[in-house]
Amino acid sequence: DIQMTQSPSSLSASVGDRVTITCRASQSISNYLNWYQQKAGKAPKLLIFAASSLQTGVPSRFSGSGSGTDFTLTISSLQPEDFASYYCQQSYSTPWTFGQGTKVEIK
Amino acid sequence: QVQLQESGPGLVKPSQTLSLTCTVSGGSISSAGYYWTWIRQHPGKGLEWIAHIYYSGSTYYNPSLKSRVTISVDTSKNQFSLKLSSVTAADTAVYYCAAAYYSDSGGYVDYWGQGTLVTVSS
Repeated sequence: DIQMTQSPSSLSASVGDRVTITCRASQSISNYLNWYQQKAGKAPKLLIFAASSLQTGVPSRFSGSGSGTDFTLTISSLQPEDFASYYCQQSYSTPWTFGQGTKVEIK
Repeated sequence: QVQLQESGPGLVKPSQTLSLTCTVSGGSISSAGYYWTWIRQHPGKGLEWIAHIYYSGSTYYNPSLKSRVTISVDTSKNQFSLKLSSVTAADTAVYYCAAAYYSDSGGYVDYWGQGTLVTVSS
């Protein structure tokens, strides 16, 4: 299985801050990397697919980059509705695997 | 807009079989490119992919669960189902059904059910 490692596991930030979350794969996964946002008690929501493609309807303050083994999710200006957990996921091979998550909390 | 809804018992006894059904509305389960998916989330933990099925019946399982899992599809009812046998407390989780789209850009889940908590307890 491909292991996905996110960092940090949690972070505290203020509204308006630039936030960066990283995801590292245990082997090269090309650009088969997706990012999801999950709010408490809700299903995850797709933000970014194929490492850098913004899902329809997702605000442009979210962006993704990377290829191979190292990937980044950036929120350019954190908004109150962005406080949530974020997960990366690889679709290079089955079993699909997720990172352990990053919880973004209010500072 | 595709919508998915899980149904099934919220409480299952140890050693029994967990059975869930997902009803798809707003779209056809025979849609090209879509793989119908089960994902679970243990309380307070991360996400675990369980299995995919294509409308044709092709299946893909997580090896960690493969010996206990069966996924099936009923195109006439626009439903797909999950069975997980010999459950233990470690199978207590929120189970999500989802629609995963595969393209040249890889696969991603763009539609999710609301999730259903299944507790394994006597």
